[in-house]
Amino acid sequence: DQQVKQNSPSLSVQEGRISILNCDYTNSMFDYFLWYKKYPAEGPTFLISISSIKDKNEDGRFTVFLNKSAKHLSLHIVPSQPGDSAVYFCAASAGSNDYKLSFGAGTTVTVRA
Amino acid sequence: GAGVSQTPSNKVTEKGKYVELRCDPISGHTALYWYRQSLGQGPEFLIYFQGTGAADDSGLPNDRFFAVRPEGSVSTLKIQRTERGDSAVYLCASSPDLAGGPQGEQFFGPGTRLTVL
Repeated sequence: DQQVKQNSPSLSVQEGRISILNCDYTNSMFDYFLWYKKYPAEGPTFLISISSIKDKNEDGRFTVFLNKSAKHLSLHIVPSQPGDSAVYFCAASAGSNDYKLSFGAGTTVTVRA
Repeated sequence: GAGVSQTPSNKVTEKGKYVELRCDPISGHTALYWYRQSLGQGPEFLIYFQGTGAADDSGLPNDRFFAVRPEGSVSTLKIQRTERGDSAVYLCASSPDLAGGPQGEQFFGPGTRLTVL
């Protein structure tokens, strides 16, 4: 069963505007959340993460928000750039001794010029 | 420096055959992970190693799948009696130590696309 869900398979946004990607999880043991970005024919690359003790983490144009009570997180990209066009995966891990990541199905972002 | 490399990049085989997929982690990384990504899905955990030993193989789908890392560096994922449902991209990742949360990130290779006809 999918413990991490990304319900929007695709998102199209105009260059310069904000991209908002959503992710929901079901496992209450998850305490660390990551976003990975993937270009075609390449492996996923780490983008940004957040611990369950925080509700926001910001890194340049990327901000991740966590709502633990709703088991929901989102990634905001602002302003969106053409190079941001990629597949974005939400991932989660449970506990300091659990090293396997559970991934969502991904959201394909297309930034239009 | 060099990232994680995986060979072959593509593998086409017939149902029932045996295949081996190779992963070369980043030099010095002690932890190594295998994931499988089916079409339209996110990566799914298979197994991870700390050094030479499999620390967690709970994601291997059945006993046709086996992975080794005899010298604590290169790893091989072995699939016996392949089935059409095994068709997927097999991703390998490595990290300086066990990671996946606040301990640090996993660095992924480009994957091997396996097609079972």
